[in-house]
Amino acid sequence: DVKVTQSSRYLVKRTGEKVFLECVQDMDHENMFWYRQDPGLGLRLIYFSYDVKMKEKGDIPEGYSVSREKKERFSLILESASTNQTSMYLCASSSREGSEKLFFGSGTQLSVL
Amino acid sequence: LAKTTQPISMDSYEGQEVNITCSHNNIATNDYITWYQQFPSQGPRFIIQGYKTKVTNEVASLFIPADRKSSTLSLPRVSLSDTAVYYCLVAAYSGAGSYQLTFGKGTKLSVIP
Repeated sequence: DVKVTQSSRYLVKRTGEKVFLECVQDMDHENMFWYRQDPGLGLRLIYFSYDVKMKEKGDIPEGYSVSREKKERFSLILESASTNQTSMYLCASSSREGSEKLFFGSGTQLSVL
Repeated sequence: LAKTTQPISMDSYEGQEVNITCSHNNIATNDYITWYQQFPSQGPRFIIQGYKTKVTNEVASLFIPADRKSSTLSLPRVSLSDTAVYYCLVAAYSGAGSYQLTFGKGTKLSVIP
């Protein structure tokens, strides 16, 4: 089975802190994604990457950046956390051939106080 | 960019067949339509994927009309364990040789004993 592992299940940070959310997949997938999930808004795409050192903006990239230095790892960075970034963050990966078949991690519930 | 629309919620009794429809305008010609299931505190999980007509697996069926502007997920004889949120996902060309995966806002299915 594909495994997508997110480094933290729950995270509490203060406004203005720099926050790193880490995601690792073990299936040699080319594609990796970061979504945030909020009640009533569903899953919204923040950033995605189709290859190492490559990144593209999704629907809501403002306030976020990403890093993909290795194929298996995709990091989401909140440069200066704000309270409106309190949310569930979900990482996913997929292969180039089956790009719409995403495998998700269990999510990180981030609270910014 | 393709937009997806689904009902916010549905209720069903155990043993009934449930059909959840997703509308997706401007879906590109070569895009698959994919459905996911999400339980609380978990990431979404792949259920079924199709391109046109009908696809069936051990969990569900997917009906896609010829114009591909909608798709219907069919769950036969639901049980309490099918209570979850169901998302449709389509890929749409977003320019510059890339595409973007867009989720609907999800349909919360409640199965009643």
